[in-house]
Amino acid sequence: DGGITQSPKYLFRKEGQNVTLSCEQNLNHDAMYWYRQDPGQGLRLIYYSQIVNDFQKGDIAEGYSVSREKKESFPLTVTSAQKNPTAFYLCASGGEQGVRGYTFGSGTRLTVV
Amino acid sequence: RKEVEQDPGPFNVPEGATVAFNCTYSNSASQSFFWYRQDCRKEPKLLMSVYSSGNEDGRFTAQLNRASQYISLLIRDSKLSDSATYLCVVTPLNTDKLIFGTGTRLQVFP
Repeated sequence: DGGITQSPKYLFRKEGQNVTLSCEQNLNHDAMYWYRQDPGQGLRLIYYSQIVNDFQKGDIAEGYSVSREKKESFPLTVTSAQKNPTAFYLCASGGEQGVRGYTFGSGTRLTVV
Repeated sequence: RKEVEQDPGPFNVPEGATVAFNCTYSNSASQSFFWYRQDCRKEPKLLMSVYSSGNEDGRFTAQLNRASQYISLLIRDSKLSDSATYLCVVTPLNTDKLIFGTGTRLQVFP
């Protein structure tokens, strides 16, 4: 079955560390996205990529970095420059210019310890 | 003004009730509209797309009013399992990006 896989499900980061969240899809979607969700709040767009080797900043890109070397993969690195990284991170992919909506991965819950 | 606005609720309704949510959007050129459902600590899942002519899927009916720039979701015969947060989602013209509302929380009680 096609789908989108995020790993790990839970991640703990020490202050000053960089961590990378994995996102893989086999839906043959061109576009992939990273969102952040804080408790009681909506989804905020971090980065998105509409094609391999190209990506754009979303609304809250500071302290994050991404790469898109393969169509199937869109990893997100949370750097030490991100001052408040504790959140629920959601990866999504979509095709057909968003007409059919997105498919989301099950998310990674990141906690700074 | 937020691009997509929703009443956060919570809407507390008894089983069997009919409940409706509205959502307004600010970009008149928006092209696609969706309702997503999100359970606590889970990822959002597509509930239904919203078409100009309105559409129905079982107990759920979605409508779009372009003139007034709002979409609605009606849930009939509410079930306990309908308890969740419902996210209104809009796609601006000529972009793949989805813009999410903050969600409306529904709690159905016995």
